[in-house]
Amino acid sequence: QTLVTQEPSLSVSPGGTVSLTCGLTSGSVSISDLPGWIQQTPGQPPRTLIYSTSSRSSGVPDRFSGSIRGNKAVLTITGAQADDESVYFCVLSTGRGTWVFGGGTRLTVL
Amino acid sequence: EMQLVESGGGLVQPGRSLSLSCVASGFTFDDYAMHWVRQVPGKGLEWVTSISWNGEKKDYAGSVEGRFSISRDNGKNTLYLQVTSLRVEDSALFYCWAICVSTTCAGEIWGQGTLVSVSS
Repeated sequence: QTLVTQEPSLSVSPGGTVSLTCGLTSGSVSISDLPGWIQQTPGQPPRTLIYSTSSRSSGVPDRFSGSIRGNKAVLTITGAQADDESVYFCVLSTGRGTWVFGGGTRLTVL
Repeated sequence: EMQLVESGGGLVQPGRSLSLSCVASGFTFDDYAMHWVRQVPGKGLEWVTSISWNGEKKDYAGSVEGRFSISRDNGKNTLYLQVTSLRVEDSALFYCWAICVSTTCAGEIWGQGTLVSVSS
């Protein structure tokens, strides 16, 4: 069974840039997997930041961007702010009608 | 405002059934494929099931296939999840998640969640 991989935790300085990655234990992530990035802060429901690789949801600041780099999907935060401290989940479509989430990356801004 | 509101969660004994609902407002419901996603508090997200915009295609995670049933009523802007043969490990916050599949919409919408607790 192929699993979705994410860094368990990352940290970034305020104003800095950080890249979160989303890979597969077997194979490469591509645009056909429709990678998405979901942000969740404690006690709140999930919120989609990026869908279909690089489309930004309405109201999401442009410091968040999505791409494919090599064999992974990447979420880049440019100019990180304190309220970006959250857990970020990657989600992929398997192409067989099912979807799978990564385990999440806990981002600390310090 | 585009909104999804779940309901129907609660405390239930193992082996029993529950019916969850998700009411959509502020957007054209049948422009969206609908999903249920669950989350054990403090843990990650788990995709559970999805249904196409017209209800013709349904998919399930292996862990719930045969026990959970998804449906929708586009006339009532409502998504349903019938959960049967509940297990303790089904305890979680259940979210509905809408994904635009039409050229006349964009983006995704999440509900606030409804909590299902399975315990004897």
